[in-house]
Amino acid sequence: QSALTHPASVSGSPGQSITISCTGTSSDVGTYTLVSWFQQHPGNAPKLIIYEDKKRPSGISNRFSGSMSGNTASLTISGLQAGDEAVYYCCSYAGNSTWVFGGGTRLTVL
Amino acid sequence: QLVQSGAEVKKPGASVKVSCKPSGDTFSTYGITWVRQAPGQGLEWLGWISPYDGNTTYAQRLQGRVTMTTDTSTSTAYMELRRLRSDDTALYYCACVDVSIYTFIQWGQGTLVTVSS
Repeated sequence: QSALTHPASVSGSPGQSITISCTGTSSDVGTYTLVSWFQQHPGNAPKLIIYEDKKRPSGISNRFSGSMSGNTASLTISGLQAGDEAVYYCCSYAGNSTWVFGGGTRLTVL
Repeated sequence: QLVQSGAEVKKPGASVKVSCKPSGDTFSTYGITWVRQAPGQGLEWLGWISPYDGNTTYAQRLQGRVTMTTDTSTSTAYMELRRLRSDDTALYYCACVDVSIYTFIQWGQGTLVTVSS
């Protein structure tokens, strides 16, 4: 199972919007509407922020949104804040009770 | 909340067994997955154990070296990794799997496993 593809890093200024892409294949992202996004701050465990491509768990800001097109999922963060600086991972269900992660994208808030 | 066991230092070729204790009656509702993160690297899915029948699925690259179990009497999940190599050095996380939405809703704090001669 190959890892999903992320850009290594993105950056934006406070108040701006950024989008992080996550590209998979027709065996995972393209088949299942089951992409999740996790936020990981240094020294902390990952935290679920998006599931089923675009749904937010309770307590997650609506500044975080997810979308899907073909084999590519995207995470958009609007109204960037300093606290959004973290590494973001996508994760897709890949069938047969398996999952696959992306390599992670480091978000820098300038 | 999931509470994991403490850090381990092992020699190459040895085995390690990491525990993960969720709060509440987790095993009847949620699966348990294990994910690792090598130093400075990304997340790698290792496998999971189903809440319905205890069936396990492991990542291909670990097949034959990893075993995931749950002990319902102590409400504890375990991940054992055998024939350790230096590239198994990583932070190992357990997480609850909500099978209705196919995602990992709550994570443990992580257990650092260091493999060094």
